[in-house]
Amino acid sequence: RKEVEQDPGPFNVPEGATVAFNCTYSNSASQSFFWYRQDCRKEPKLLMSVYSSGNEDGRFTAQLNRASQYISLLIRDSKLSDSATYLCVVNRRGGGSNYKLTFGKGTLLTVNP
Amino acid sequence: DAGITQSPRHKVTETGTPVTLRCHQTENHRYMYWYRQDPGHGLRLIHYSYGVKDTDKGEVSDGYSVSRSKTEDFLLTLESATSSQTSVYFCAISADRVVHEQFFGPGTRLTVL
Repeated sequence: RKEVEQDPGPFNVPEGATVAFNCTYSNSASQSFFWYRQDCRKEPKLLMSVYSSGNEDGRFTAQLNRASQYISLLIRDSKLSDSATYLCVVNRRGGGSNYKLTFGKGTLLTVNP
Repeated sequence: DAGITQSPRHKVTETGTPVTLRCHQTENHRYMYWYRQDPGHGLRLIHYSYGVKDTDKGEVSDGYSVSRSKTEDFLLTLESATSSQTSVYFCAISADRVVHEQFFGPGTRLTVL
């Protein structure tokens, strides 16, 4: 089982739609969780961290289920500018005192007018 | 945006030639990372640094070496480039070892013919 797995996508949705991305992780020792956004031919940028109690930032809601080792991202009222690849990212302790970020392969979202 | 630059931004080279990519930061962050991103694989860690002259291997370090002689610069060297090293290379930085967030540079597109 891959360390971080995401919906393969791609997702094509109309403007105003609600879209949900799912992600699972295999290492129960994982400590922190993130969603990054990557525009075409650009660098990844942090979209939001994911907290155990769930968290919301405007139209974006992130949820974490540690028991099921599952992370989700919900985007409401999709905008054209939301078109991007969304990366699920998991952080866990690696060797020694270092930590390791593992990136999912990403899910491509296209929002259509 | 975090102050991270990468040079060159694009490079075409031939198999067997040495190549050095440079990452420069103005944030004075302790931790620096080199990733490669390939279709179907997502972002994979090549090497990272947790201080000047302190580096360690990531998951795909074969064929690559790194050096960090100053806080602000992290160099990635391909001693003898191969076609399998054709990729997009991203440098990233973070302020703390728990890695709550990584900031990425704009990337270098390397083609090895």
